[in-house]
Amino acid sequence: DAGVIQSPRHEVTEMGQEVTLRCKPISGHNSLFWYRQTMMRGLELLIYFNNNVPIDDSGMPEDRFSAKMPNASFSTLKIQPSEPRDSAVYFCASRAGTSSETQYFGPGTRLLVL
Amino acid sequence: DQQVKQNSPSLSVQEGRISILNCDYTNSMFDYFLWYKKYPAEGPTFLISISSIKDKNEDGRFTVFLNKSAKHLSLHIVPSQPGDSAVYFCAASETGNTPLVFGKGTRLSVIA
Repeated sequence: DAGVIQSPRHEVTEMGQEVTLRCKPISGHNSLFWYRQTMMRGLELLIYFNNNVPIDDSGMPEDRFSAKMPNASFSTLKIQPSEPRDSAVYFCASRAGTSSETQYFGPGTRLLVL
Repeated sequence: DQQVKQNSPSLSVQEGRISILNCDYTNSMFDYFLWYKKYPAEGPTFLISISSIKDKNEDGRFTVFLNKSAKHLSLHIVPSQPGDSAVYFCAASETGNTPLVFGKGTRLSVIA
């Protein structure tokens, strides 16, 4: 299996621009998670989906952030408009079942907003 | 409010010695605990886990200990190797289909 796939791996953009991060979970996994990693806050959960349905988006920092999962094999995290404080590494992860199952992470997208 | 805390941001250990990484949690509903390891420019990878019905789980050089009364867990690496140098994240979850809650991580440096 290819594992969790994220694109792009690196993104540099200017403040005010729209940014779209993409994730393909492991086939057969029914839960998908978006995390953000920063030095100050570590790994923060932004939103997660079960069976393509958003369950908890309380970690999404502002209305500028939105996430979708149109089908079981694809999810996007969009930031519009982007700000310099959004600069971080964004990880997508997927899991086959309940909490006792292993959660697998993608390689991350390193975002820099100038 | 942090539910999972790793109070040591970094740790240095000599090759061959024991590395002990610590983690504390506040949510008494947590019943499943994991350690993830992260190398630079990669995503975190699962290392070892423990259920709340146990107090110890061992996998090769890695052992996780759980003290529920103290709400504390630790990861022991024996013997430590230079390839173990990475950031280690402690994580916890409740029963069911709930997300993992992560600590901020501890950077381990194993010196040859």
